[in-house]
This record gives sequence, C-alpha cells and structure tokens, in this order.
Amino acid sequence: GESVGLHLPTLSVQEGDNSIINCAYSNSASDYFIWYKQESGKGPQFIIDIRSNMDKRQGQRVTVLLNKTVKHLSLQIAATQPGDSAVYFCAENMKAAGNKLTFGGGTRVLVKP
Amino acid sequence: EAGVAQSPRYKIIEKRQSVAFWCNPISGHATLYWYQQILGQGPKLLIQFQNNGVVDDSQLPKDRFSAERLKGVDSTLKIQPAKLEDSAVYLCASSLGWVNTEAFFGQGTRLTVV
Repeated sequence: GESVGLHLPTLSVQEGDNSIINCAYSNSASDYFIWYKQESGKGPQFIIDIRSNMDKRQGQRVTVLLNKTVKHLSLQIAATQPGDSAVYFCAENMKAAGNKLTFGGGTRVLVKP
Repeated sequence: EAGVAQSPRYKIIEKRQSVAFWCNPISGHATLYWYQQILGQGPKLLIQFQNNGVVDDSQLPKDRFSAERLKGVDSTLKIQPAKLEDSAVYLCASSLGWVNTEAFFGQGTRLTVV
C-alpha cells in the first residue's frame, strides 16, 4: 500500500551548522505532513506540520518544505544544537481516513560539538 | 496539561504468555492511536479509535492482538499469546480529532519477549 518512505541514514552535523532531513512520500491524497522528533526512551514529539496546499512553513529554527510535484518533504534545522540530536520522522495524515497518521522510517541526527 | 500516560513502562514476558498495556489519553482527545515501534524503525499503526469506535485496525494482527476503548477514554492493548517478534515499544497517542491533527505521544511500553 501507499506509505511515507524515508531511508534510515544518520546525519552528522557540526554544532551551529544547518541540518536538512529529507523524506519521500507516495500518497498524494494526504492532507498534512508532520515532522516528529524522538529522543531515546521517549515517544515522538511534534515539531511542525504543513498542509498539502502549502509549500513552506517556518517555525522556531525549523522550516518545512513540501514539493508535491516530486512528492518530497524536507525539514531544515537552523543553527543545530546538541539538544537536536535525535531521530526525526516524517509522517502523513489523511483526514479522509479519519486522521490516519502514517510514519516513515526515520533519520538519526548526531550533533558534534 | 497532563500528557498521554502509559503503563507499564517496561515488561518482560516469555513467548506464549499474554500481556496487556494501558493508555490514558489527554483529556478531551477523541482520537486514540496504538503504534508498534520495532527498534530502528518508524512507528507502525496498529489501531486507531475515534471515541470508542474503531477507525482503522487493518494492521492489527487480530489472531493475537486485541484492543478496546470501552468508554471512549482509556484504552488497553492485549497480546495473547506473545511471540518473539512482538518485542517492540508500544506507543499510545491521542489527538483532538477532526479539528486538530496534532498527535501527542506517551513514553511507550517497552516489551521484551524471551
């Protein structure tokens, strides 16, 4: 079936640099795309979401970009800090399916001091 | 505001035994999700409730897994009998539902089947 796809790389980034995490999705019917952060031993934590009718949304130090043409989602973290070290997941939400929330495989971000 | 509460935090059982997990969602949240997260993978949806009705249980192994949300608030997820491959973290999440899509997750229950 259709699903959010995300390879499972590890991204090593120097403290203070910008991080970019990418995600490919296949379900064009999704209404929202969401980025979650998961620290060791904790549940996923909401970072930011974007509606399918938008192409960019900014939060505090984070920006999400959506390219529906190529079904690609990215999360940019500005001035990466040690506290940003975690696994990041993209997820898609389908209102037509009762707000079904489907996750991809995750990217581990390691921030080097 | 209290978050999503789950218990127990950890559980170790032998294969073929049964186990139950409990979830108390955020007050007022109509939608409740149970996810299975195997180490190194993203969470996989097992079952989704809207109040006390099942919205999606297409990926729930119904021969051994069951879940209920009788009064539309707390929920329990049961595995009987457990298999080695059920070792995972079981996450519960809740959201307001139709109006707000943000889902809040509990810390999860780490199950080890030996």
